[in-house]
Amino acid sequence: NAGVTQTPKFRILKIGQSMTLQCAQDMNHNYMYWYRQDPGMGLKLIYYSVGAGITDKGEVPNGYNVSRSTTEDFPLRLELAAPSQTSVYFCASSYQNRGPHEQYFGPGTRLTVT
Amino acid sequence: SQKIEQNSEALNIQEGKTATLTCNYTNYSPAYLQWYRQDPGRGPVFLLLIRENEKEKRKERLKVTFDTTLKQSLFHITASQPADSATYLCATPTGTASKLTFGTGTRLQVTL
Repeated sequence: NAGVTQTPKFRILKIGQSMTLQCAQDMNHNYMYWYRQDPGMGLKLIYYSVGAGITDKGEVPNGYNVSRSTTEDFPLRLELAAPSQTSVYFCASSYQNRGPHEQYFGPGTRLTVT
Repeated sequence: SQKIEQNSEALNIQEGKTATLTCNYTNYSPAYLQWYRQDPGRGPVFLLLIRENEKEKRKERLKVTFDTTLKQSLFHITASQPADSATYLCATPTGTASKLTFGTGTRLQVTL
């Protein structure tokens, strides 16, 4: 199993450009999450999904969009990039049945908006 | 909403000693608490989960305690090694869909 994969690893965007951060998992997990991590700050939840076709906003959703057309993929779309979106983005997944389960994280995408 | 506090100052200890990291939460008592390890440039990796009715959980050299009276969890690494150097994050559940609120993490540096 590759686990959770993210592409690209690094990206530099100009203000106003758009891009999609890719996330895929091969563990058949139903729950998936997008976080951003800024220096000295904790992980902040952007969006999450409990299954294909179902997404919902997290703590900091403004400026982002997601879709979940398959169990495996959960892309994050940035429209009109702003310097405030410079951050490291992590995708995570989790299998949910009864009881709590850990989250599995991808390696992250480091995004700089200039 | 839940607020989690971890010591933002790095913890420096000598190899072989026990490292103790603290996680305090401010509002409601969570049903469980998770600890993750994060190395520079990598995503967090799950280490341990402790439920509110468990006082202590162990895994090899790791030990986690959960004190609902103090609203605190302690994370111990015994016989620490330089390879244990990393940032350690604690997290509690928030809302539905097993969402987690993470602390800012404490960086541990183990020296020879």
